[in-house]
Amino acid sequence: GQSLEQPSEVTAVEGAIVQINCTYQTSGFYGLSWYQQHDGGAPTFLSYNALDGLEETGRFSSFLSRSDSYGYLLLQELQMKDSASYFCASKAAGNKLTFGGGTRVLVKP
Amino acid sequence: GAVVSQHPSWVICKSGTSVKIECRSLDFQATTMFWYRQFPKQSLMLMATSNEGSKATYEQGVEKDKFLINHASLTLSTLTVTSAHPEDSSFYICSAGRGASTDTQYFGPGTRLTVL
Repeated sequence: GQSLEQPSEVTAVEGAIVQINCTYQTSGFYGLSWYQQHDGGAPTFLSYNALDGLEETGRFSSFLSRSDSYGYLLLQELQMKDSASYFCASKAAGNKLTFGGGTRVLVKP
Repeated sequence: GAVVSQHPSWVICKSGTSVKIECRSLDFQATTMFWYRQFPKQSLMLMATSNEGSKATYEQGVEKDKFLINHASLTLSTLTVTSAHPEDSSFYICSAGRGASTDTQYFGPGTRLTVL
């Protein structure tokens, strides 16, 4: 089976840095994706790590360690609009995604 | 970019009726589309994989006779919730990739179904 664990909620102030950890137990692992979802909206793709290491895309970075079955999403220079739920998702054969429970990020002024 | 649309965006129906949800890839062809269900404040759960020109593959625990999937073309997949009941009320989201097994999945805006 597939399972991914991530914290349920994180609160931070504007301008701060938040790290959302994701540990996974999956078979046939291809890579780890991250998605952002605002309330009532659809998931939006943020990043994908197929190989170990850090991927940087603007204020967001994502990291993967296959040997540790662990990854994280780093949100820098937090803005109010970053308040949303963030999901890690493991990719398997056939492009199938299994999602973690989601981390609700609340950004305060 | 890769745009996926869904129709309708929301629907309210009476218990016992059937509801059809469409998922379209607007600017690319998608041999495979995926259907997810999301209950409030919960994660996305994969329901089924929709393959163009063949039968859908359902995840364990998903009733294939209740959730009918048809993928008639490379740009359209439909999900029909048959004999809907209040417990089927949920947010249904489709996604599609452009073909490669490692391609990013692009999500539609979702359809909120409320069964009275």
